[in-house]
Amino acid sequence: QVQLQESGPGLVKPSETLSLTCAVSGYSISSGYYWGWIRQPPGKGLEWIGSIYHSGSTYYNPSLKSRVTISVDTSKNQFSLKLSSVTAADTAVYYCARWAMGGWFDPWGQGTLVTVSS
Amino acid sequence: SSELTQDPAVSVALGQTVRITCQGDSLRSYYASWYQQKPGQAPVLVIYGKNNRPSGIPDRFSGSSSGNTASLTITGAQAEDEADYYCNSRDSSGNYVVFGGGTKLTVL
Repeated sequence: QVQLQESGPGLVKPSETLSLTCAVSGYSISSGYYWGWIRQPPGKGLEWIGSIYHSGSTYYNPSLKSRVTISVDTSKNQFSLKLSSVTAADTAVYYCARWAMGGWFDPWGQGTLVTVSS
Repeated sequence: SSELTQDPAVSVALGQTVRITCQGDSLRSYYASWYQQKPGQAPVLVIYGKNNRPSGIPDRFSGSSSGNTASLTITGAQAEDEADYYCNSRDSSGNYVVFGGGTKLTVL
């Protein structure tokens, strides 16, 4: 059974960099699939941030591309998100998920709330 | 703004059938996937591909598509189906992912 778990600071100061890691268990990242990050501001809808393949190939949301870096560490079976120059608008629950090329995300991590505030 | 459009809210009487729709140009080329999200929980995939249900998803959930519109149908809605539902697909270029704005389903 594939499981994903997000981890990282729950509070980030404005203008700093948000960093999160997604640990994958029950499946080797190197075996295939893309892996993605999705966020959800409080009370709002889902927004795709970006996705990465085990080879390092990435896709990013054009609206966030200038601030986003997604990387993968196959030795630790995890992938990571960095979002720079954050503002209050980046406050959200951040989810990681496995992404099939057919377009769907499954399964999802439980999500982690990141608040941007001084 | 989202490239997939969903009605913000839909209601259905207990035991009746409800259809939730998702519109967008990318749906002419790509199938929509559908997710159920209950308060305080992560989204759960309920339909993917042409009309596939992951293991554990009741068969009262089904998907269909016509032109630029994808639909999620719940046949015989149950109280536990009350949730937010989101669609997603690749965008028209195929290089990105888009989500609909979500539909809040109320079971009366």
